Amino acid sequence: DGGITQSPKYLFRKEGQNVTLSCEQNLNHDAMYWYRQDPGQGLRLIYYSQIVNDFQKGDIAEGYSVSREKKESFPLTVTSAQKNPTAFYLCASSITAGAFTDTQYFGPGTRLTVL
Amino acid sequence: AQSVSQHNHHVILSEAASLELGCNYSYGGTVNLFWYVQYPGQHLQLLLKYFSGDPLVKGIKGFEAEFIKSKFSFNLRKPSVQWSDTAEYFCAALYNNNDMRFGAGTRLTVKP
Repeated sequence: DGGITQSPKYLFRKEGQNVTLSCEQNLNHDAMYWYRQDPGQGLRLIYYSQIVNDFQKGDIAEGYSVSREKKESFPLTVTSAQKNPTAFYLCASSITAGAFTDTQYFGPGTRLTVL
Repeated sequence: AQSVSQHNHHVILSEAASLELGCNYSYGGTVNLFWYVQYPGQHLQLLLKYFSGDPLVKGIKGFEAEFIKSKFSFNLRKPSVQWSDTAEYFCAALYNNNDMRFGAGTRLTVKP
């Protein structure tokens, strides 16, 4: 069953702790993306990666870090430097590197709450 | 910064009513436009997209959208909605092939 998985669905952390959100895809897609969604706002791009071992900052990268050591995995770390980390995080992937015009396929999301 | 605005936060319609959801995007060079939909309990998925050519774009499930360059608009339409169209709809614009912006979304509720 092909698709994108994100785990866990709900995540709670204490303020000041780093936390890593998982995103895995078995679609053999080159490109992967991380978005953040806040109530009443659209999705905002945090980071994206077009190929393994390469990634680019999106609109709101401050306080986040990513890695892309394997094609199928693109974990996002929310660091203690992120001022407002409580949000819904969505991971997506698309077929071709360097082509934002490709259809993006989204995972189910992780809701992070920082206490 | 570029932005996308969706006029309606929540739209409630009866089955068989016609639908039009507004979407406006800010000017910013080359723009490609998308509508994504999220049905209850499902992942966000592409409904339709416009890159060039015929400004009237047809998507899945009977949806269509019209690109009106002079109005910076990309409104989503469906002549007759069904209960199964209940979902949240997101308009998005891709600027210069690398800057993707989403609107805040419009929640559509279709009453049976």
